[in-house]
Formats: sequence, C-alpha cells, structure tokens
Amino acid sequence: GENVEQHPSTLSVQEGDSAVIKCTYSDSASNYFPWYKQELGKRPQLIIDIRSNVGEKKDQRIAVTLNKTAKHFSLHITETQPEDSAVYFCAAFSGSARQLTFGSGTQLTVLP
Amino acid sequence: GAGVSQSPSNKVTEKGKDVELRCDPISGHTALYWYRQSLGQGLEFLIYFQGNSAPDKSGLPSDRFSAERTGGSVSTLTIQRTQQEDSAVYLCASSPDSVGTEAFFGQGTRLTVV
Repeated sequence: GENVEQHPSTLSVQEGDSAVIKCTYSDSASNYFPWYKQELGKRPQLIIDIRSNVGEKKDQRIAVTLNKTAKHFSLHITETQPEDSAVYFCAAFSGSARQLTFGSGTQLTVLP
Repeated sequence: GAGVSQSPSNKVTEKGKDVELRCDPISGHTALYWYRQSLGQGLEFLIYFQGNSAPDKSGLPSDRFSAERTGGSVSTLTIQRTQQEDSAVYLCASSPDSVGTEAFFGQGTRLTVV
C-alpha cells in the first residue's frame, strides 16, 4: 500500500520567515495530494491541494510543489505569522488503493 | 450544509466497558475513514469504507476494535473491553468519491478510559 513520509516532525521559524515541509510517497499511482492544518483542539482542515497533472499551486502565502518523478511534494508558507502555528499533515490519494494516506505531521511554531 | 457529525463529543468510560462511537458523514459521501489521534500525535489510520466494497480494516489495532457502516451512510466504531491505552480522540472523515477529493473531518470524539 501507499506509504507517506513527512519531515520535519517539528519546525520553529521566526515570524516573517518562510517554512517548508516535505513529504515523499511510494505509490506511483497516487494522483491527489492535499495538505491539512490542525490547530490545537480542532479538527484537521484542508488548506491547499494539488493534482498530479500540475507541478505547483499557489494560494496567497501558501504554495505546494509536486515532483512526480521523485515522488515528493512540499508545502511552502511565506511571511509566516503566529496564527500559522499548528500541526500540518500531508496526504496522498492512491489511485490503486483508492484511499487517502496521511503523513505523520509537522508541528510548526512561529515565534513572534 | 451540514458537515461530518460525530457523537458523543466526549466519552468517559471505565476500563473493561464497551463503547460505541458514531459518525454521520456528509450526505452522498461514499468514502468514510476512522482515525485515532493520541495527545500530540499524528493520525493513526483505523478503517476505511468505500461504497459497497469490502472495508480496509488493516489499521485496526486489535480484535477489540470493529466498525460498521450501515446503508452506506452512518458508521459506528465499537471498542470492546476498553483499556487505558484506548484513550484518544477518534476522528471520522468522509469524502465524495473514490477518485481523490477533499476529505472532511468531524470534530472527533474524545474517549477517556479510567
């Protein structure tokens, strides 16, 4: 089945700096890659996603890049703010298994 | 419209008792996932339902755990003879189809076994 690895597990940045979280996946049939943000005590919520037919997608301060050849994708947050502090999960949807597999999560802390 | 609804929000039970956790997915969503999240930890996959296909039970940690999905809608996760290590937040998520689209999470059930 699909295996998604996520790094780093924790990340601290100064307010205003950029943050990058990286994930790799194993199933070449995976075709959909969402990113979720989970604030303390809340449910995970989708912040951005990308499909396998594009290499990059941007939404304001958030961007995701996908390298299908290398089977990795990354989340980029620019001009970080304290409210960006949360746990971020990547995920990959396998077209063969037809289900979503999550990474282990990254605790992002933005220091004021 | 209504999102994914889970009940109860909180459940405190004595060790050895059975518990049932309920998930009402978004209407029309064919895919339904159950996850377990211990404090400060990631999403531990438990079970996945997709339409009328046989569920993927590969994440269930022991035979004390079981889940059903009746009529392709409501799902119930049952934990028998609860243990203290079962204490966690149990999250349910649903998505519209099996192609690959956003999964929507419920607010979770916080289970505490005392």
